[in-house]
This record gives sequence, C-alpha cells and structure tokens, in this order.
Amino acid sequence: GAVVSQHPSRVICKSGTSVKIECRSLDFQATTMFWYRQFPKQSLMLMATSNEGSKATYEQGVEKDKFLINHASLTLSTLTVTSAHPEDSSFYICSARRGPPPLNEQFFGPGTRLTVL
Amino acid sequence: DAKTTQPNSMESNEEEPVHLPCNHSTISGTDYIHWYRQLPSQGPEYVIHGLTSNVNNRMASLAIAEDRKSSTLILHRATLRDAAVYYCILQSHYGGSQGNLIFGKGTKLSVKP
Repeated sequence: GAVVSQHPSRVICKSGTSVKIECRSLDFQATTMFWYRQFPKQSLMLMATSNEGSKATYEQGVEKDKFLINHASLTLSTLTVTSAHPEDSSFYICSARRGPPPLNEQFFGPGTRLTVL
Repeated sequence: DAKTTQPNSMESNEEEPVHLPCNHSTISGTDYIHWYRQLPSQGPEYVIHGLTSNVNNRMASLAIAEDRKSSTLILHRATLRDAAVYYCILQSHYGGSQGNLIFGKGTKLSVKP
C-alpha cells in the first residue's frame, strides 16, 4: 500500500509558540491532503482539506488563522499550529488521497502527538 | 452527523471469527462503504471497501446487505493484533467534500487470548 509519513511523531512545546507538522506522501502524488485532530478516547475530526497550490478548505469551527495549512507540492502538506495553547494538545493525523473519484483511495499518516505545556 | 451506526465495543476470542456490524440506513446509491481500523496511537489503516457486492481481501471480508442499509466486516480468525477501533464510513462516489472521510465513533474490538 501507499505510504504517508508525518514529522515529527511527537512534539512538546511551550504555550504561545508555533509548531509545524509535515505530511508527505512517499510513493505517490496526492490529489488532496487532509488534516484530522483526535482528542483522547474520541474519534478523528476532520479539520481541513487542501489541494496543491490552492487555499485549504476548513471545516466549520476550525480557525484558519490558528491552523495554517500549506500544500506546496503534490507530496507535501504542512500544518502550523500558531500560538499554541494547552487546549491544542491533541493527536494530529494527516491523510493523502490518491486518484480521482470514484477510486478515492486515501492513506493515513502515523500521527503527531502535540503536547502544549 | 454520523451516517453510520456501530456498537461501541465488541469482544472476541483469539483465532475465532469476528463479525462487526454497521447500519447505514440513509445510504445513497453513490455511497461506497469503507472500513478502516485504528490501532492505539496510530493513524487509521484501510481495511476494505465495497459498493454492492460482497468483497474479500487478505485482511477481511465485507458482507453487504441486499438493500445496502447494513454491512458486516468479517475477520475470519481474530488475532491479538486485530484489537483496534474499527470504523465504518460512507464515502460519496463523487469526490469533493462529499467524498471526505468522516469518522464516527467506531467499534472498539478487544481480542482475548
């Protein structure tokens, strides 16, 4: 199967700092990339979708100025959590879609555990 | 709103078959039925998907009701490594925002040795 990587796998930062998380599709070009957030014992919540070279589409309730998404190439998307606060501590998971509909094959990264002190 | 309904949790014994049910009574004709699973502290992993016919792959089988309002994921011989949260998700054929994977609460499967 296709491989999606995330970096870093774990990050601890101080409140007020910004954190960047990278998501890469290693062996395919992704038509669309997605960012999810997962709090403990909860399901994944879709935050935003992005296409290469376009602005990200954010889900309702997700602050676009706080969660900056850059999708510079067909294999790389980054999520920057700006001015992070303890309530932003969560498990962030990216996903990449390969192929147009109806194939819609989607592959997930291993996740990034963010802890804001 | 989740478009699928799954039991919160299920238990199985190792090396026995497991049938994980999913109800999706509002499924449309263009919705695919996808199953993903998530092991602890990992990203979701694709398991199987189908549209109308039953499907088999090396990981599992997917049985789809004739009216498509429910489906069952079948693990033929559960192992300890199959302990995970299993998500049943409807995904539109059309793509765009309709094709986004929206996760419900899933079923937490425990496997006893």
